[in-house]
Amino acid sequence: DSGVTQTPKHLITATGQRVTLRCSPRSGDLSVYWYQQSLDQGLQFLIQYYNGEERAKGNILERFSAQQFPDLHSELNLSSLELGDSALYFCASSLYLRLEPNDNEQFFGPGTRLTVL
Amino acid sequence: AQSVTQPDIHITVSEGASLELRCNYSYGATPYLFWYVQSPGQGLQLLLKYFSGDTLVQGIKGFEAEFKRSQSSFNLRKPSVHWSDAAEYFCAVGAPSGGSYIPTFGRGTSLIVHP
Repeated sequence: DSGVTQTPKHLITATGQRVTLRCSPRSGDLSVYWYQQSLDQGLQFLIQYYNGEERAKGNILERFSAQQFPDLHSELNLSSLELGDSALYFCASSLYLRLEPNDNEQFFGPGTRLTVL
Repeated sequence: AQSVTQPDIHITVSEGASLELRCNYSYGATPYLFWYVQSPGQGLQLLLKYFSGDTLVQGIKGFEAEFKRSQSSFNLRKPSVHWSDAAEYFCAVGAPSGGSYIPTFGRGTSLIVHP
């Protein structure tokens, strides 16, 4: 158990719908990362937040957005869903100390499996 | 932009045999390198990492990896595989950014262990 929790574990929805995935980081971790794992694209970085602010952006579609709340949990919002958005979505957290890269190990949650029908 | 190649999609070994999983990376500077393992239905777990220093890195579960700059490789090894090692293994290269890193993952190697 990494200490990172994600809800829900499974989500089945229809094309065109909107869903919200939730992530609670490990206690004390300030940074949250979102990843998408699909058969087509593999494991890809989407976006990173640190203490409520966006820090880095990867291959995240405009239909997707995320935020990190004052209690440090994060939500990934996926809208206008398409069949190709079906994937496993992982959240990871890290301590993120600017001067100590060795403290930036990312701990992954178990993922949310999204199925778009 | 950085990239990672894991040439082997599947590797099959017998329990007790040695293991080497290959990883080649492309990155312009000194890379942060990682190996992760993903068991079925689980998230990724970090096996080991290389930031600097000794090029032979020891990790958890008896794994080690060697960074070879001349070959742009970071191969994962284990002297004796256990059935519980069957999983998906991902190599990643991290681009340092303000004290953190954003990893780029390879496509993964699925390890099958025969009894």
